[in-house]
Amino acid sequence: RKEVEQDPGPFNVPEGATVAFNCTYSNSASQSFFWYRQDCRKEPKLLMSVYSSGNEDGRFTAQLNRASQYISLLIRDSKLSDSATYLCVVNPNGTASKLTFGTGTRLQVTL
Amino acid sequence: DTGVSQNPRHKITKRGQNVTFRCDPISEHNRLYWYRQTLGQGPEFLTYFQNEAQLEKSRLLSDRFSAERPKGSFSTLEIQRTEQGDSAMYLCASSLAQGQGYEQYFGPGTRLTVT
Repeated sequence: RKEVEQDPGPFNVPEGATVAFNCTYSNSASQSFFWYRQDCRKEPKLLMSVYSSGNEDGRFTAQLNRASQYISLLIRDSKLSDSATYLCVVNPNGTASKLTFGTGTRLQVTL
Repeated sequence: DTGVSQNPRHKITKRGQNVTFRCDPISEHNRLYWYRQTLGQGPEFLTYFQNEAQLEKSRLLSDRFSAERPKGSFSTLEIQRTEQGDSAMYLCASSLAQGQGYEQYFGPGTRLTVT
């Protein structure tokens, strides 16, 4: 079983739609969680950290379910500029150490 | 620009040659990480440093790979006797050792092509 699993997509949605991505992780002791965004042939950019209580940043909402070892990202009112690959990321150690990435979910927002 | 920088951005080399990449982290960050990413995959951890100390190495880091951070600032990643399977994007990231949720910030990467 992969340490971090994501549906690779692609998710094709019209502009203005709401889209949700899910991710599961295998290490129940994992402490820190993140969503990164990666544009084609570019570096990953931190989108948001995921906190136990859930958190929201504008149109983006992240949720963590420790019991189910499940992380989600909700994007409301999708924009063309949201088209990218979204990487689910887990820090197994909960310290400033290595990150474990999922393979990413590709989102394409269309007119 | 005060972000993570990497050089070169692209490198084409012939199989069997040695290559070296450089990473300059965000200035106040004392942790520096190397990852490798191939097409269709997420980045995979290679190694990381706190200051000049190399704290962890992945099993992906074969004997042909060596990384250094001699003065606790910039880091180099060397690949000896390159193989076609080494073709990938090599990403560097940096973070603080504590605080801010240990968030890592990535440089633009060095894309290596081994012919």
